[in-house]
Amino acid sequence: DAKTTQPTSMDCAEGRAANLPCNHSTISGNEYVYWYRQIHSQGPQYIIHGLKNNETNEMASLIITEDRKSSTLILPHATLRDTAVYYCIVRVGYRNRDDKIIFGKGTRLHILP
Amino acid sequence: DGGITQSPKYLFRKEGQNVTLSCEQNLNHDAMYWYRQDPGQGLRLIYYSQIVNDFQKGDIAEGYSVSREKKESFPLTVTSAQKNPTAFYLCASSTTANTNYGYTFGSGTRLTVV
Repeated sequence: DAKTTQPTSMDCAEGRAANLPCNHSTISGNEYVYWYRQIHSQGPQYIIHGLKNNETNEMASLIITEDRKSSTLILPHATLRDTAVYYCIVRVGYRNRDDKIIFGKGTRLHILP
Repeated sequence: DGGITQSPKYLFRKEGQNVTLSCEQNLNHDAMYWYRQDPGQGLRLIYYSQIVNDFQKGDIAEGYSVSREKKESFPLTVTSAQKNPTAFYLCASSTTANTNYGYTFGSGTRLTVV
């Protein structure tokens, strides 16, 4: 089973910031939080990941709470092309024979014109 | 450019036939994965492999088989024992040496069994 909980769907107006929450209350100390998105009928695309600190890249920002039990993905200026399913995932962060990603159902983000 | 290639993009087969989906990567990644996605659903893990000549079952391995004879290749065979093979199949790879990289996914193969 996936170790994360996300809302099924969210709407966001074009040009506004999209804030996608994720709960991972059972996360272990050595597990990273990863975010991916999947545009219809394509393979998932890596967005960002983090362990403890907040992270930012050209696509998004990741805010992780101090207790690491939840996180928020922020798309600062959403466009129609950001309409996709967003997956929040936890993954062990070291070489591990059992390393694998278990996907939940994700959040379907609709960007409204 | 490095990447992961799945072929073909669309595949049609008659019921009862085995079919093999191709997945090739030139990223020098150690690990490779196969996922299945049904309409409106998330991805479910079929098989994964961390090194050549070794692989593990995922959550829904029944009716599928894989091989990992080369680092670059991880073909998936959908056998006649798979009761509902029609689905979107995604292959992914990753390096296990550095967690600063996530998974890289292929563009998928849509299998339809008639």
